[in-house]
Formats: sequence, structure tokens, C-alpha cells
Amino acid sequence: GNSVTQMEGPVTLSEEAFLTINCTYTATGYPSLFWYVQYPGEGLQLLLKATKADDKGSNKGFEATYRKETTSFHLEKGSVQVSDSAVYFCALTISSGSARQLTFGSGTQLTVLP
Amino acid sequence: GAVVSQHPSRVICKSGTSVKIECRSLDFQATTMFWYRQFPKQSLMLMATSNEGSKATYEQGVEKDKFLINHASLTLSTLTVTSAHPEDSSFYICSARDGSGANVLTFGAGSRLTVL
Repeated sequence: GNSVTQMEGPVTLSEEAFLTINCTYTATGYPSLFWYVQYPGEGLQLLLKATKADDKGSNKGFEATYRKETTSFHLEKGSVQVSDSAVYFCALTISSGSARQLTFGSGTQLTVLP
Repeated sequence: GAVVSQHPSRVICKSGTSVKIECRSLDFQATTMFWYRQFPKQSLMLMATSNEGSKATYEQGVEKDKFLINHASLTLSTLTVTSAHPEDSSFYICSARDGSGANVLTFGAGSRLTVL
């Protein structure tokens, strides 16, 4: 079956620190990979995605590269801000149009201190 | 952008009572809505897919008589946890797909259910 494993939180960083949140996956087939972010009191929002090996998704200073050889999709940001404090979910789907097959990781809580 | 409103955000109830959670698409029509639950430190798990005007499709292991889903209109789906027990305490999240064909999923903020 499909599964997503991401690093457990909570993660606490100082402003302008470098961020890495690890995500690895197992999948039957060729998945598309996603990072979602949930700010306090809001719904999950798509942060970035990659649909094939070696693709790099990027948005708001965050990046993640689809690594097929290591089955990973680690999220990185060079300099975090207080406003980045949120819960981050790694996810995959086999069928690009089917949320039925959207598989999530457990989420990582990030807190950025000023 | 598209917004999905989920209500209530938190609910506490006594064991044996039923609780209804609403999921509304505020500025688009959602032909399909999805319900997830998340236990502490675990993944979001898809419970069921709700299609407007038809019966919901439940994932394996999810009791349809326990978790009643109604999708009576293009903007509203409800999840009713019947005869709730403490083990039903969880975080429930809905998402909606824009029926215009954009194939974008928009998530609600979630509902925290605590059953005493």
C-alpha cells in the first residue's frame, strides 16, 4: 500500500534559521507528491507539489525535490519567519485527480520564535 | 480563492449522544466532498467520499451507520457521529472539490470532537 512518513514534531526554530522537514514515502505506482500547510484556525492549503522524479516544487521560499532514488520529498526553507509557524503535511497521490488516493503523513508542527 | 467552512471547530459531548459537523463550500459548488479523521500523532485518514445527491462511499473499516454523511446540496455536506463514544474523539476534516473541473481540493479548518 501507500504510506507517508514525516519527521515528528514539534519543531522549534529561531527566526531566520534553516528548516528541513523530512518526508519519505512508499507507493505502488508512480506518485505525485505534495506539501500542505495548515495555519492556526485555517484549513489545509497546498504549499507545493511535484509530479515526477527530480521535479522541484517551490512556493513562498519553501522548496522540495522529488527524489525517486531515496523515495523522499523533504521540505526546506533557507530562512524561516514567525509567520511560517504552522503544521506541515506531506502527502502523495497516485491518481492526479483522485483525492480518494490522497495519502497524508502525520503532520509536523513548526514553531518559529522571534 | 475557494473557501470551505467547517462548523463547529470544537465540540464536547457526552457518551451516547450524536454530533453533527457541517462542511460548506462558501464560494463554489462542490460536487464531491471528502471527510477525514486524524488521531493524535497519526496521519489524516480518508473516511468517506460524499457526492451530491447520492450515497457516500465509505472507506474500508469505517462504519456507515456510525458516521452518517449527507450531501444534500452542492455547498453542504454533513457528518453525524451517532451514539458517540470516547474512542470517537478525534479531529475531523472535510475537503471539497470544485465542480467546475479545476480539480482543486480545498480543506476546511477541521473539527475537534471530544466525547466524555
